[in-house]
Amino acid sequence: KAGVTQTPRYLIKTRGQQVTLSCSPISGHRSVSWYQQTPGQGLQFLFEYFSETQRNKGNFPGRFSGRQFSNSRSEMNVSTLELGDSALYLCASSLGGASTDTQYFGPGTRLTVL
Amino acid sequence: EDQVTQSPEALRLQEGESSSLNCSYTVSGLRGLFWYRQDPGKGPEFLFTLYSAGEEKEKERLKATLTKKESFLHITAPKPEDSATYLCAVQGDYSTLTFGKGTMLLVSP
Repeated sequence: KAGVTQTPRYLIKTRGQQVTLSCSPISGHRSVSWYQQTPGQGLQFLFEYFSETQRNKGNFPGRFSGRQFSNSRSEMNVSTLELGDSALYLCASSLGGASTDTQYFGPGTRLTVL
Repeated sequence: EDQVTQSPEALRLQEGESSSLNCSYTVSGLRGLFWYRQDPGKGPEFLFTLYSAGEEKEKERLKATLTKKESFLHITAPKPEDSATYLCAVQGDYSTLTFGKGTMLLVSP
């Protein structure tokens, strides 16, 4: 069974630009969660989508947004990039039916903002 | 607000030298405690889920235990390939995962 895939794996952008990251969950999984990982803050929850609806949201500014499509694939968008947005962005998928479903992570997208 | 604290931040062991990693947590209504392993440049890899105090789970050289305030990841006779960052996360009433900052483990041959 294929795992969670994320594209692109690496991105370099400049301040003020916007970026879109993509995540394809494990087949059959309906929930997709996004996390930001930095050396200082560790893994921080951004948002979760289930059946095309945002089910939970972390404490991030409105510049961070996401969506989920009918095939469960998800995208996250960051507008007006800041230097502090440089991080590893991780996507995780789960079955989604129960709140304690195990989340399986993709390899991440490394975003560098110059 | 759910909180997770992992200690130590870094641990260096000799091959075969057993030890334990600690994960202390405060959570509103624990639904699950998760252990992940993360190798450099990769996403976290799932290891265990624990649901209630007293529960234990094992996988090869790893054993995870859970009390009402903390969890331990015991590593028995580690090998160099066990070197990684080990992450602990809790899921409470808000249904989102709150992660600790991890313990970086280095096992020398």
